[in-house]
Amino acid sequence: QLQLQESGPGLVRPADILSVTCAVSGASISDRSQSWVWIRQAPGKGLEWIATVSYYGVGTYSPTLEGRGIISFDRPRNRFSLTLTVATVADTAFYYCARRVGRSGDLSDSLDVWGRGTPVSVSS
Amino acid sequence: QSELTQPPSMSGAPGQSVSLSCTGTNSNIGANSFIFWYRQDPGIAPKLLIYHNIKRPSGVPDRFSGFKSDTSAFLAITGLQAADEATYYCQSYDAGLGGPVFGGGTKLTVL
Repeated sequence: QLQLQESGPGLVRPADILSVTCAVSGASISDRSQSWVWIRQAPGKGLEWIATVSYYGVGTYSPTLEGRGIISFDRPRNRFSLTLTVATVADTAFYYCARRVGRSGDLSDSLDVWGRGTPVSVSS
Repeated sequence: QSELTQPPSMSGAPGQSVSLSCTGTNSNIGANSFIFWYRQDPGIAPKLLIYHNIKRPSGVPDRFSGFKSDTSAFLAITGLQAADEATYYCQSYDAGLGGPVFGGGTKLTVL
């Protein structure tokens, strides 16, 4: 059974680096049948897509990150991370990782499995 | 600002039916992109409710149904139950964005 587990710093100071990690169990992150997405939810707000990482480790980023996003892909540990350089108060949110089912699957393009999320607060 | 527009709140009495709307544009829903619906309970990650506009994952009761028309999509819930209280998000894909786009969510209250 596929499970995702996010982890993060909890509290980050403005202008510091913010990094969140998604550990995957029950499937290989390199499996071609899927990609992986980062979604965040600011307090009291809706869901916002911020990044996607392909099964071969290439990242696609939302324009809202303004070029601050960096994806890292750890095949041996079966996990991937998103780093935001120069954190701002606007990055305060719950960060979720989720699987996007590939085009050949029955639930193609669905975000079918989510982690529980990790809270990140950017504050001085 | 969300790419897809949903009413912030809706309500209904037990047993009644409600229809939650989701309005997009010609670059997402109108571009023949699939619609997905998710349910989120407070403090819990969203859960897939409807995929490919109308399909239900296993375990989702047939009281929930989805449909799409032009640049809008709808989630219909019949026989409302107290357990249906949650926030419901629609999601599609936007050719210009490069990733999923979400509505702002509709908080459903069962009176």
